[in-house]
Amino acid sequence: GENVEQHPSTLSVQEGDSAVIKCTYSDSASNYFPWYKQELGKRPQLIIDIRSNVGEKKDQRIAVTLNKTAKHFSLHITETQPEDSAVYFCAASTGGFKTIFGAGTRLFVKA
Amino acid sequence: NAGVTQTPKFQVLKTGQSMTLQCAQDMNHEYMSWYRQDPGMGLRLIHYSVGAGITDQGEVPNGYNVSRSTTEDFPLRLLSAAPSQTSVYFCASKTSQPTDTQYFGPGTRLTVL
Repeated sequence: GENVEQHPSTLSVQEGDSAVIKCTYSDSASNYFPWYKQELGKRPQLIIDIRSNVGEKKDQRIAVTLNKTAKHFSLHITETQPEDSAVYFCAASTGGFKTIFGAGTRLFVKA
Repeated sequence: NAGVTQTPKFQVLKTGQSMTLQCAQDMNHEYMSWYRQDPGMGLRLIHYSVGAGITDQGEVPNGYNVSRSTTEDFPLRLLSAAPSQTSVYFCASKTSQPTDTQYFGPGTRLTVL
């Protein structure tokens, strides 16, 4: 069945450094790739997304890239801040109604 | 607009008991889903619905039933609870547009003893 692999599972960076989280997906029909941030005890919230006809998207300090040929997509956070500390999930969706999530990356930003 | 609501927030069951987790949304979204979240395993899709009267299985459907009699409500039923169903359950909804955002409810923390 469909699968989304996410790496690393844990990431620790110094404040101000960049953080990169990578995902691969198995279903070549996937056409929508959202990223969610989940703070402790809270619900997942969308932070950025990318559609299959776009290679890169940026929103202030966060950016996402997509390589459809390799079935890879990545989240880049620049100038990290302590409030970026959370669990980040990538996901892949086909047709919009069935979304498969990666296992998550716990990001620690050290002040 | 309350968004996506879930009840209860917390629940403790004994093995073999049954219960229903409630989910409602007031955004007139066609699509609704149930996920469970376990440590280190992300969010796994249990069941989803693309509209009233239409449901389908996700990645981990065993032990759970759903129905969708109205656009607003999408309850999740545990027929005979097992300790392996101890988890945090999230309901989510979105429009039928393939690339629209999925909105999550606040979650229900379920413990099965």
